[in-house]
Amino acid sequence: QLQLQESGPGLVKPSETLSLTCTVSGGSISSSSYYWGWIRQPPGKGLEWIGSIYYSGSTYYNPSLKSRVTISVDTSKNQFSLKLSSVTAADTAVYYCARRTGDRVETYYYYYMDVWGKGTTVTVSS
Amino acid sequence: DIQLTQSPSFLSASVGDRVTITCRASQGISSYLAWYQQKPGKAPKLLIYAASTLQSGVPSRFSGSGSGTEFTLTISSLQPEDFATYYCQQLNSYPPVFGPGTKVDIK
Repeated sequence: QLQLQESGPGLVKPSETLSLTCTVSGGSISSSSYYWGWIRQPPGKGLEWIGSIYYSGSTYYNPSLKSRVTISVDTSKNQFSLKLSSVTAADTAVYYCARRTGDRVETYYYYYMDVWGKGTTVTVSS
Repeated sequence: DIQLTQSPSFLSASVGDRVTITCRASQGISSYLAWYQQKPGKAPKLLIYAASTLQSGVPSRFSGSGSGTEFTLTISSLQPEDFATYYCQQLNSYPPVFGPGTKVDIK
């Protein structure tokens, strides 16, 4: 059964770079069927999509974060990573990694995020 | 970017109640909509994709409908384990934004 696990520092200082890794187990990150994504949730608030990556390295980023975000993949380690630069207190959140897959329903192919990590809390504070 | 709104933001209901949550998109997204359930301290769980297709293992009391700009998630008979926050997500185009959420609480 596919599992995702986030890892990284739980405390980051303002203006520094937040770095997280998602390790995929029970399946290959190199499958052509999947994109791998990062989503975050500030305390008491809703979900915000950060960005996604394909095993080839192709990426999509949320325009609101694009200038500060880099997502990369390491297929040899079955991992993908998030870097968020110049963090502020507003970046304090639970960060989730997740798999985006899809399914054909009637004529069309529909996407969804079906496997999520448990999340890791990152606090930005000096 | 496509924006999603959900109504109500908060809903108080009793076990056995029929519950309906609405998600509206700022522009047409066909049926590229998913619904998730999130309990406190847990990751979101996929319930429905393609607006109305039930994810494997999800109880049949959950159902989804709609297309274009208006969608609904219905719980036919609310169970104790259904008290949670529900989010819709559009996957028609990037960025695949989430709705603001609907919290379903115990009356």
